[in-house]
Amino acid sequence: AQKITQTQPGMFVQEKEAVTLDCTYDTSDPSYGLFWYKQPSSGEMIFLIYQGSYDQQNATEGRYSLNFQKARKSANLVISASQLGDSAMYFCAMREGYGAAGNKLTFGGGTRVLVKP
Amino acid sequence: GAVVSQHPSWVICKSGTSVKIECRSLDFQATTMFWYRQFPKQSLMLMATSNEGSKATYEQGVEKDKFLINHASLTLSTLTVTSAHPEDSSFYICRPAGGGAGNEQFFGPGTRLTVL
Repeated sequence: AQKITQTQPGMFVQEKEAVTLDCTYDTSDPSYGLFWYKQPSSGEMIFLIYQGSYDQQNATEGRYSLNFQKARKSANLVISASQLGDSAMYFCAMREGYGAAGNKLTFGGGTRVLVKP
Repeated sequence: GAVVSQHPSWVICKSGTSVKIECRSLDFQATTMFWYRQFPKQSLMLMATSNEGSKATYEQGVEKDKFLINHASLTLSTLTVTSAHPEDSSFYICRPAGGGAGNEQFFGPGTRLTVL
């Protein structure tokens, strides 16, 4: 079974509008972390935001926020006020456990976002 | 954030040759290094995990004799693609464990390998 699922292969968003990227995960480990990365055409992986399984509040980083619904096992990324530079591939990833084993990341299939002017 | 470098950033080689990719963590020590491969329009797939001074652990389906990983120091890990073939053409990315002040996990900038 897929551990990380991103159901939206691609989406358009109008500049200055908000967009939500879906991510669901599957784990039986009570300790885990969820990450979002942005990958522009250059290929570099840019860290955006992190949510720990025990965090009480949803993570926010500037225009990025993570809608963490633990019971539903979802960790959707919300990008507010989209900019043309947000056009990229976005990956959701999960780390299970702590320590050396806990550093292993599993990735979803990604969502390509294209911001229209 | 943590600084991670990869060299070369891109390489084109003939089929049958070997290619070495270096990954360096420039401002922190990484006891563990993860190597990923990404085919066009696909996600990152973990190839192997290496620990400094010991043998790498390879994911299922990854040939350890084809993808040689050396993690001789806390700041350098190398991936050698031996006897490369066109199907090995891909984007290879390293990720040293740690390096972030919080929970950030930083990647190298990647190496694009094209085998003719």
